[in-house]
Amino acid sequence: EADIYQTPRYLVIGTGKKITLECSQTMGHDKMYWYQQDPGMELHLIHYSYGVNSTEKGDLSSESTVSRIRTEHFPLTLESARPSHTSQYLCATRPSGLTDTQYFGPGTRLTVL
Amino acid sequence: GQQVMQIPQYQHVQEGEDFTTYCNSSTTLSNIQWYKQRPGGHPVFLIQLVKSGEVKKQKRLTFQFGEAKKNSSLHITATQTTDVGTYFCAVLDNYGQNFVFGPGTRLSVLP
Repeated sequence: EADIYQTPRYLVIGTGKKITLECSQTMGHDKMYWYQQDPGMELHLIHYSYGVNSTEKGDLSSESTVSRIRTEHFPLTLESARPSHTSQYLCATRPSGLTDTQYFGPGTRLTVL
Repeated sequence: GQQVMQIPQYQHVQEGEDFTTYCNSSTTLSNIQWYKQRPGGHPVFLIQLVKSGEVKKQKRLTFQFGEAKKNSSLHITATQTTDVGTYFCAVLDNYGQNFVFGPGTRLSVLP
């Protein structure tokens, strides 16, 4: 198993609050990803990064933002949470090789009331 | 962009029965990966296939890459309750940079 940490693991918050989901890794992988996933459903890529100061939006439009100031950290921020943001958020990392495995963190289950 | 289909979407089997899920692409693939996600968990890498016609086995799991490298299958022999979960295939996008995940096949095993 890879060393990817996500905090918090569970979060229940009211509408309009600003939240930051943390993702950190100790493997030195350049590529990092954020996915949104409803339980047992498709993985939707919302953000990715190829390295420090590199961030891109994924296939699924999201109101969240990300930053990559350090290789180890890839936090995701929602400025104003809404009930439609209720979902699981999975962070993942991958080395730079084309055939390299993707490693997923344990996820953050977000509920917005 | 690159799209990949998986069938079936859901599969319910009795414990001991076999199970197969298929992953199909309209384009030739350089490689394909398979992941398993247990209920409440996160996707975990199972295997990668690279060569045309490649077959790999992991205990009761058999993975196959099509001759044309446009499809792949995952077959489980004699399912057990521990096999429950969602199985995803993943292929590289058109730029060869990120993996695109299929919609997944959700397997339930009745004891």
